[in-house]
Parts: sequence; C-alpha cells; structure tokens
Amino acid sequence: AQSVTQLDSHVSVSEGTPVLLRCNYSSSYSPSLFWYVQHPNKGLQLLLKYTSAATLVKGINGFEAEFKKSETSFHLTKPSAHMSDAAEYFCVVRPMFSGGYNKLIFGAGTRLAVHP
Amino acid sequence: EAGVAQSPRYKIIEKRQSVAFWCNPISGHATLYWYQQILGQGPKLLIQFQNNGVVDDSQLPKDRFSAERLKGVDSTLKIQPAKLEDSAVYLCASSPIPRTGTGVNTEAFFGQGTRLTVV
Repeated sequence: AQSVTQLDSHVSVSEGTPVLLRCNYSSSYSPSLFWYVQHPNKGLQLLLKYTSAATLVKGINGFEAEFKKSETSFHLTKPSAHMSDAAEYFCVVRPMFSGGYNKLIFGAGTRLAVHP
Repeated sequence: EAGVAQSPRYKIIEKRQSVAFWCNPISGHATLYWYQQILGQGPKLLIQFQNNGVVDDSQLPKDRFSAERLKGVDSTLKIQPAKLEDSAVYLCASSPIPRTGTGVNTEAFFGQGTRLTVV
C-alpha cells in the first residue's frame, strides 16, 4: 500500500536560517510527489511538484525539494526562512498506478514556526 | 483562471441538524475531491468523483454523509444528522485527468474550504 510519512509534526527555525521539512513515501513504483502549504484559514496552495524530468524541483517562494528514489524521500528545503513561511506543510503522493483516478495521499503535515 | 469555489465559508449548526456544502470546480476538471480536515490533522479523503461517477468513497460515513456531482460539474456534500465530531474544515479540490505516458503530473487545486462547527 502506498503511504507518505512526514517525519516531524513541528519544526521551529529562526528567521534567516535554513528550513528542512522531511517526507518519506512508500510506493511500489515511482509516484508523483507534491508539497502543499496551508496558511491559517486558507486553502491549500501548491508549492512544487515532482516530474520525472529532474530530481531537484524548484517551487514558489524559494522552496525546493529533491527526489531521492534510493531513500524514498522528497524533503522540502529553503535556504533562508521568512516570517511569512510560518504555515502547515503537506507532502502528498500520487501513486503511479491508481487506476487512472488520480488518487492523492496526504501526509499528516508539518507545522513550521519561524521566530524573529 | 477562476479557482475552485466553495460555499459557505463558515457554518455553525447544532448536533443532529443537517448541513450542505457546495463546490464549483475549475472548468474542465474531470476529477473532484471532498476532503475533511480536522484541526491539527492532514486532509482525509471523503469522496472522489471522476466526471459524475464515484471512484472512491471508502472513507465516507455513508450513514450520515452523502455527496453528488451533478452533470459532472458542481458538487454538494451533505451531512445529516451532524455529530460533534464532524466539526472540521471541508475542502473541495479538482484536477484534470492525468495524461499517462506524457510525464505530466497533475496536481489538485483546492478551494478555501468550509469551516463547520457543530455545537
């Protein structure tokens, strides 16, 4: 069965320091992978998505993620955190073979706090 | 391009009452999802439509929840009767059908959600 695990429920960083949000997936085949961000009282916004073209994916707001098949990981990083990055982040996997039905599986989320 | 529209944004009802949520997906998107997000948790899929057919409703509490997608476009989600534990944000999302063999990974686009409080 496919699943996604976000290894940290909470991450706290200081403004200007690097951000690392960890995500591991389990899938029999190479899945599609996404990171979404959710600010308080807002809907989910796509940060970035993995395509088979490149293992290092750049997203919006300076975020990027690297697909590592050998480690079944898709960690999200940012070199320098801003206060506005404080939000909930979700790693999402779409199994390659989901009957053509675009099934999406969410991780439990990581809450990022950014301190001055 | 217009996004996914949901209404209402907020709803407060008493337990045992009924409530309905509405979703208008992005034009042309064949797949429509309803997720339930309880405070502090990730979204949980309630039901997934492809066009106007249900492809996954395995986690929908069918004794009280129902959903339909009229003509493969708009969708409504209903709860009757509501329980206290139904308090959550209900998110609607849509996506195009993935095009296999093209390497195109289709993400889902989410609405703002409806925050339901059952008292």
